[in-house]
Amino acid sequence: DQQVKQNSPSLSVQEGRISILNCDYTNSMFDYFLWYKKYPAEGPTFLISISSIKDKNEDGRFTVFLNKSAKHLSLHIVPSQPGDSAVYFCAARGFPPLRDNFNKFYFGSGTKLNVKP
Amino acid sequence: KAGVTQTPRYLIKTRGQQVTLSCSPISGHRSVSWYQQTPGQGLQFLFEYFSETQRNKGNFPGRFSGRQFSNSRSEMNVSTLELGDSALYLCASSLTPGPQETQYFGPGTRLLVL
Repeated sequence: DQQVKQNSPSLSVQEGRISILNCDYTNSMFDYFLWYKKYPAEGPTFLISISSIKDKNEDGRFTVFLNKSAKHLSLHIVPSQPGDSAVYFCAARGFPPLRDNFNKFYFGSGTKLNVKP
Repeated sequence: KAGVTQTPRYLIKTRGQQVTLSCSPISGHRSVSWYQQTPGQGLQFLFEYFSETQRNKGNFPGRFSGRQFSNSRSEMNVSTLELGDSALYLCASSLTPGPQETQYFGPGTRLLVL
């Protein structure tokens, strides 16, 4: 059962425009969310995170929004650059006393972002 | 500071064989997690080790096992390989398994089972 879902396998955006990557989750016990970026032949690289007590976290061109009522997470990249082209994974982690492995990360299936010059 | 290293980077095995993958975490990191990545499935959690103890385990058969050594290095073993085990195996380390600890990933070991 996929507890974290990224329903868009790919996204294509023009350089300079905004990229919006979406993520939905089902478990209301998740309390910490992360975005990772992955280039081919490399492991995922941590990008940005957000705690469930916040609804927005910003780091340079990257902003993550959390809508707890909708169980929805999004990553905004503004402005998008060709170097941002990669696969983006969202991940969530639970917090005790979550019965099932509180320290286990649940990952989405990824969204491949292509930023066209 | 050196990142997470994984060896080997690529591996080809045949069905029925077994394989051992190695992961060296970032210096000072004591928690190591393993993930399997297959196309369309994202990263599937295998297990997590901290202080040489397995703390969490994902929904994988008993053919998948692992261990952690006193220097925090970790190994993952897959016995009686099946074609479906072909995947990228990623190792990630963090300082501790505590809440809101960020995991840092290695480059992965790509396993092909023929």
